[in-house]
Amino acid sequence: AQTVTQSQPEMSVQEAETVTLSCTYDTSESDYYLFWYKQPPSRQMILVIRQEAYKQQNATENRFSVNFQKAAKSFSLKISDSQLGDAAMYFCAYRGSNSGYALNFGKGTSLLVTP
Amino acid sequence: DAGVTQSPTHLIKTRGQHVTLRCSPISGHKSVSWYQQVLGQGPQFIFQYYEKEERGRGNFPDRFSARQFPNYSSELNVNALLLGDSALYLCASSQGAFSNQPQHFGDGTRLSIL
Repeated sequence: AQTVTQSQPEMSVQEAETVTLSCTYDTSESDYYLFWYKQPPSRQMILVIRQEAYKQQNATENRFSVNFQKAAKSFSLKISDSQLGDAAMYFCAYRGSNSGYALNFGKGTSLLVTP
Repeated sequence: DAGVTQSPTHLIKTRGQHVTLRCSPISGHKSVSWYQQVLGQGPQFIFQYYEKEERGRGNFPDRFSARQFPNYSSELNVNALLLGDSALYLCASSQGAFSNQPQHFGDGTRLSIL
C-alpha cells in the first residue's frame, strides 16, 4: 500500500517570505500523480498544484512550485511571497495509475502566516 | 458554474441510527468519490463511483454503502452509527475515472455522533 508522510505538523512563515512544506511517499509503481491540496477553516479542499511522475520538470502555479525528486520519493511544496490568505492545512496526496482511483493523503501540515 | 455541493452541512445523530449524505458533482463530471476526514487527520478514501458503477472501495466496513444516480449525483449511507463515525465527510468529483484527472471537493458534511 502507498503511504504519504508529512513530517511537519506545523509551519510558520512571515508575510512576503518563502516557506517549503515537505512530503515523502512510498510506492512501487512507476506511473503515478502527486497533488498538494489546501484546506482552509472553511473546510473545502482546494487543489493547489499537481505533478505527473513521468514529467521531469517541476510544476509551477503562480507563487506555488514543487520540488519533485522521484528517486528520493520526495515532493515538497514551495510557497513564495506568502500571503495571509495562504494560512491553512496543506495536504500532500498520491494517486497511482495502477492501484485504483483513490487519493492517499498525508496527515497534513498546518501553515501559519504572520504579519 | 456551481462547484461540488453537499448536503446537509452539519448533522447530529445518535449511536445505532442510520444517515444518508448527498452530493451533486460539478456539471459534466461523471465520477464521484467519498472520503472520511477524522479531526486532525487527512481524508481517507471510502468509495469511488463512475457511470453509476462502483470503481473502488476503501477499507471501511459494510455499514458504509453508496450509490450513484443517472444524473451522476451520489448518496453515502452509513448504518448502525458508531461514535467513531464522527467526522467530516467529503465528496469529490472528476470528469472521468482516470488517475490523472484532478478531483474537486465540496465543503463536506460534518457528522457528529452522540
